Amino acid sequence: SAVISQKPSRDICQRGTSLTIQCQVDSQVTMMFWYRQQPGQSLTLIATANQGSEATYESGFVIDKFPISRPNLTFSTLTVSNMSPEDSSIYLCSVIWMDAVPLEQYFGPGTRLTVT
Amino acid sequence: DAKTTQPNSMESNEEEPVHLPCNHSTISGTDYIHWYRQLPSQGPEYVIHGLTSNVNNRMASLAIAEDRKSSTLILHRATLRDAAVYYCILGENGNQFYFGTGTSLTVIP
Repeated sequence: SAVISQKPSRDICQRGTSLTIQCQVDSQVTMMFWYRQQPGQSLTLIATANQGSEATYESGFVIDKFPISRPNLTFSTLTVSNMSPEDSSIYLCSVIWMDAVPLEQYFGPGTRLTVT
Repeated sequence: DAKTTQPNSMESNEEEPVHLPCNHSTISGTDYIHWYRQLPSQGPEYVIHGLTSNVNNRMASLAIAEDRKSSTLILHRATLRDAAVYYCILGENGNQFYFGTGTSLTVIP
């Protein structure tokens, strides 16, 4: 079955630094999304990662804080910049597989980020 | 974005059916009703989805009200592995999701 992997699986970072999270899938997808899940909360959509163009950000999220790349149909990165403790969350990517039936989202295992 | 309303938590005894309700009175004509669940320490996983008609799959059944303003996810026999947060989400097929707060299901042995 198709696989979604995220690296790193977890990290502890100091405030003011940046962390880049990778999302890799083993077959081509049409859509890739990035979500954040703060402790004890539901998921919040950060942005849609668009292949070869700038990501589409949701209200409250900006490119300077969360730059996203998607160079091809199987890979995307999310960077959390100039981190503060409030950025401590689980970050998840999700994908919609090309030609999948149904066209549902499949989620990666998440990256647990702790900012000290 | 059309919103959904779900109870914060529910309990069920093991091997009994569970009916998880969701209200979505502002649903649009093109919105599908999607159900996902999130097991502890995992990403959400797809359960079922539907548009107008009731749907069945190996995991669950989805009952959709005739006016589409509410739906119910039915787990026919709850097991301990079904303990999770269940999310009811509205959206067009193939588009981004806006998650609500979900229902935390506890299964009692």
